[in-house]
Amino acid sequence: QKEVEQDPGPLSVPEGAIVSLNCTYSNSAFQYFMWYRQYSRKGPELLMYTYSSGNKEDGRFTAQVDKSSKYISLFIRDSQPSDSATYLCATGAQKLVFGQGTRLTINP
Amino acid sequence: GAGVSQSPRYKVAKRGQDVALRCDPISGHVSLFWYQQALGQGPEFLTYFQNEAQLDKSGLPSDRFFAERPEGSVSTLKIQRTQQEDSAVYLCASRPDATYEQYFGPGTRLTVT
Repeated sequence: QKEVEQDPGPLSVPEGAIVSLNCTYSNSAFQYFMWYRQYSRKGPELLMYTYSSGNKEDGRFTAQVDKSSKYISLFIRDSQPSDSATYLCATGAQKLVFGQGTRLTINP
Repeated sequence: GAGVSQSPRYKVAKRGQDVALRCDPISGHVSLFWYQQALGQGPEFLTYFQNEAQLDKSGLPSDRFFAERPEGSVSTLKIQRTQQEDSAVYLCASRPDATYEQYFGPGTRLTVT
């Protein structure tokens, strides 16, 4: 079993929809959780960073961590075609452990 | 400001050749990480430096892989006697002190033929 599991999709939704992306992790010692966005042939770009359980909001993006169920989520409101990318969840302290990535397409 | 830069962006090597991949971290970032990303997968950790000290190399897949950061700034990942299974994108990330947020470069896409 991988330390971080993420549904690879692909996920395709119409513009303006609310998108929910999810990961589960196995190591209860993990405290720091990140979401990265990766466009094709580019490096991952840090979107959101949270510590421990709870919610964090930044514009149209909300990151949610539930440590009791080892579940992390990213919500995108009012999705735009420019949000089309692969989204990677990651956790760890020094080295990061990544999920497989979910490929998301927002259709105009 | 300038982000993490990597060179070359693309490298094609014949099986058995040695390659060297360079990473220039964000100025002042203490920590530097190398990851390997296979097609359709998330990045996987290779090795980690704090300044010039290599603190963790547990992810290096074999002794053909070697990384250095002699002056605590630029880092080089060297792969000796490349094999087809080494074909991947090699990502470098840097991190400032007292934080866990890592900032990635664009990667070097290595193809071994």
